[in-house]
Amino acid sequence: DQQVKQNSPSLSVQEGRISILNCDYTNSMFDYFLWYKKYPAEGPTFLISISSIKDKNEDGRFTVFLNKSAKHLSLHIVPSQPGDSAVYFCAASDGFSGGYNKLIFGAGTRLAVHP
Amino acid sequence: DTAVSQTPKYLVTQMGNDKSIKCEQNLGHDTMYWYKQDSKKFLKIMFSYNNKELIINETVPNRFSPKSPDKAHLNLHINSLELGDSAVYFCASSQEGDRVNSPLHFGNGTRLTVT
Repeated sequence: DQQVKQNSPSLSVQEGRISILNCDYTNSMFDYFLWYKKYPAEGPTFLISISSIKDKNEDGRFTVFLNKSAKHLSLHIVPSQPGDSAVYFCAASDGFSGGYNKLIFGAGTRLAVHP
Repeated sequence: DTAVSQTPKYLVTQMGNDKSIKCEQNLGHDTMYWYKQDSKKFLKIMFSYNNKELIINETVPNRFSPKSPDKAHLNLHINSLELGDSAVYFCASSQEGDRVNSPLHFGNGTRLTVT
């Protein structure tokens, strides 16, 4: 039972354009969402997060949008750069694990940014 | 100055053997985790320790036994290895009670191959 779904396994974008990565979730108890970025042979690194009380969070070129009614979030990267080429994981947590990071991850989307 | 370090990076072993993976973090966090990335690329939580105390224990076979000698170390011992244990195992750490300001920091993973 996949509670966090990333239905696009891969995405190819031209340098300078916008990259939009999508994520859907099924558990309405999730109240905190994160995006992680992963390069080959490395661990995931935290990118950006959003609380369920917000619908948008921005950090430089990265913006995460949350649509709670649709149980959908997206990550926008503008402008996309070749160094952004990586696998992006969407993750979610609820408030029932206390303050612990019991994250539920999606399967990831591989982004390729080409010149 | 690696924040979360795991050893070994690669581990190839035969079915039935017992092996251990070590993890250390120098971030001063009090909570450490083991996540498993399976063949479908999902990252799934296995265990979490806070100040040497087990706090999250997902449905994991008894052959997997975590050990935390202190809050900076969390090792994973696996008995009687099976083919299905082949995966990438990630160690992570964070600060208790602060999932917003202290997202998970991951190590670079240990690729376990059971033949």
